[in-house]
Amino acid sequence: QMQLQESGPGLVKPSQTLSLTCTVSGGSISSDDSYWSWIRQPPGKGLEWLGYIYYIGTTYSNPSLKSRVTFSVDTSQNQFSLTLSSVTAADTAIYYCVREVRRSYYFDYWGRGTLVTVSS
Amino acid sequence: DIQMTQSPSSLSASVGDRVTITCRASQSITWNLNWYQHKPGKAPRLLIYAAARLQSGVPSRFSGSGSGTDFTLTISSLQPEDFATYYCQQSYTSPWTFGQGTTVEIK
Repeated sequence: QMQLQESGPGLVKPSQTLSLTCTVSGGSISSDDSYWSWIRQPPGKGLEWLGYIYYIGTTYSNPSLKSRVTFSVDTSQNQFSLTLSSVTAADTAIYYCVREVRRSYYFDYWGRGTLVTVSS
Repeated sequence: DIQMTQSPSSLSASVGDRVTITCRASQSITWNLNWYQHKPGKAPRLLIYAAARLQSGVPSRFSGSGSGTDFTLTISSLQPEDFATYYCQQSYTSPWTFGQGTTVEIK
C-alpha cells in the first residue's frame, strides 16, 4: 500500500518561501503512470490543486499561482517537493501531497496533510 | 476554470438512510468526474472515478452516476463510518477543480 508523508515547517513569515517535501513509500516515484501533485485547503475553504511533477522533471502548475510555485523531484530519495515564494496569509492552508494517476487525472493516494501558517 | 458546485453543502441523515449528493459543472466535462471522502485529520480517500467506477476496496454501497454537467454520488445505506465530507473533482480540463464539499452529519 502506497503511503505519502508531508514534512516541512509549520510556520512561515510573510514574503518568505514555503518549502515542503513529500516522502513516498510502498511504491516508486519513478513509476511512469504517476504524477506527483500538491493540493491545499485553506481553513474553512475548498480544495485547490497546485500542480504536479513527473519523475523526469516535467511540471505543470496552476495558473492561479502564477510564477510563485516550483516543483522538484529526487528519485534517489523517493521524494518530491514544493516551494511557494512570496507567501501571504492567503497561503495559510493544509497542504497535501498526492499521487495523480497519469492520463486519468484523479488522485488515488493522499498524505494526511500538513498545516502551514503564514504569520509574522 | 471549470466551476464545480455541490449540493447540499451539508445534510443530516441516520444510519441506514439513502443519501444522494449532487455535483454540477459549469460546462460539460463528459464523464471526467471523481468523488472523494474526507474525515478530519485523515487523508482524503478516492471513492469513485470516471463518474461511475468504484475504486478498489470501496464498499459497494457507494455509487456514482451522471455525465455532461450533472453528477450524483449515492450512498445506498449510510453506515456510521460514512459520516464525513465528500468532494467532487473534475478531470476534464486543467486546472483540475473541486466542489466546495458536502458534509454528512449524524441526525
